[in-house]
Amino acid sequence: QVQLVESGGGVVQPGRSLRLSCAASGFSFSRNAMHWARQAPGKGLEWVAVISNDGNNKNHADSVKGRFTISRDNSKNTLYVQMDSLRAEDTAVYFCARDYSGTFTLDDWGQGTLVTVSS
Amino acid sequence: QSALTQPASVSGSPGQSITISCTGTTSDVGSYNFVSWYQQHPAKAPKVMIFEGSKRPSGVSNRFSGSKSGNTASLTISGLQAEDEADYYCCSYAGTNTWVFGGGTKLTVL
Repeated sequence: QVQLVESGGGVVQPGRSLRLSCAASGFSFSRNAMHWARQAPGKGLEWVAVISNDGNNKNHADSVKGRFTISRDNSKNTLYVQMDSLRAEDTAVYFCARDYSGTFTLDDWGQGTLVTVSS
Repeated sequence: QSALTQPASVSGSPGQSITISCTGTTSDVGSYNFVSWYQQHPAKAPKVMIFEGSKRPSGVSNRFSGSKSGNTASLTISGLQAEDEADYYCCSYAGTNTWVFGGGTKLTVL
């Protein structure tokens, strides 16, 4: 079955960087676009970024544009997000999710990894 | 990229039906048939319940149904059960490779 496992979360100071990873298994990773979404403590879901199956097309939410970069390595079945210039408001659980091809749906989600931005 | 509007909370008794609304704009919900609904239990990952506005993934109970009219999408849960108590989020494709979520609705089964 589809399995998505995020890693790389932790406590980081404002202005610093962090890279999250999402290891995928149970499906043909290179066939699906992938997303990152996040959820601040006690708050709702927020879409963060998407990358096409081949990595050639990507987009980011306005709230992270210019600071976060989504990428993928299909040879390693792994999705990444590089987070630079982190702010307190980036504190959240970060989820990776598979895009259900052609339906614009985030159909399978990982369990998430917590990022805390604090001095 | 403003969040879609959902009621903060809804409630119902076991066996009853409830409907959760999700209001967007002509830039998202009103322009695309790509609204999905997610159920999230505390400290768990979201689970898709409805996609493309009204389609149910395999394994999701037929007590869950979705619809759309204009800029507003709706999720209806019939025959409420205790395990339906959770947070529910709508999400819409908003064009140019962007997605937007609703603020979420807390469902309480009385």
